[in-house]
Amino acid sequence: EAQVTQNPRYLITVTGKKLTVTCSQNMNHEYMSWYRQDPGLGLRQIYYSMNVEVTDKGDVPEGYKVSRKEKRNFPLILESPSPNQTSLYFCASSSLAGETQYFGPGTRLLVL
Amino acid sequence: DQQVKQNSPSLSVQEGRISILNCDYTNSMFDYFLWYKKYPAEGPTFLISISSIKDKNEDGRFTVFLNKSAKHLSLHIVPSQPGDSAVYFCAASSFTGTASKLTFGTGTRLQVTL
Repeated sequence: EAQVTQNPRYLITVTGKKLTVTCSQNMNHEYMSWYRQDPGLGLRQIYYSMNVEVTDKGDVPEGYKVSRKEKRNFPLILESPSPNQTSLYFCASSSLAGETQYFGPGTRLLVL
Repeated sequence: DQQVKQNSPSLSVQEGRISILNCDYTNSMFDYFLWYKKYPAEGPTFLISISSIKDKNEDGRFTVFLNKSAKHLSLHIVPSQPGDSAVYFCAASSFTGTASKLTFGTGTRLQVTL
């Protein structure tokens, strides 16, 4: 089954404690992206990757890091989380940037 | 600066009637538009799209209309069904020189009542 998986689905942490949200896709997609969804702001792109070892900033990259060492995985790293990073995070992938993107189920993060 | 706007945060429609969801954009470089549907506790799923060279695209009960001069697109659902109750996101794509980028609207929550 073609899918994008994210882990964990729910996470509560404290300010400053480094965390990683994993994302994996099994569709051999070149393009992967991270979004955050906040009330009244819709989905905003954090980072994206065109292929292995190729990443670039989206609209709201501050406080986040990503890596793309393998085609299927695109982890999101918060080195020092802050309460304003409390949000719902989605990973997405597609075969061509801008074409239909397939989304993971989301990770709800609460930073205390 | 919100380049893709969905001005109605919510919409309630009776089952069997038409649902019309609207979306406005400001960037004339957008050349491809998509609608995504999102249920609670799930990721958005692709619904329908339209290229800027067309003004209408239809898929079953779903039709998307594009008015380029007005920078406006709309999603029509006919007839509306209770299972259509969800949040709908409009998205627009533009090529940045290295990649195409999707810009999303804020979403409209559709409730289809019995």
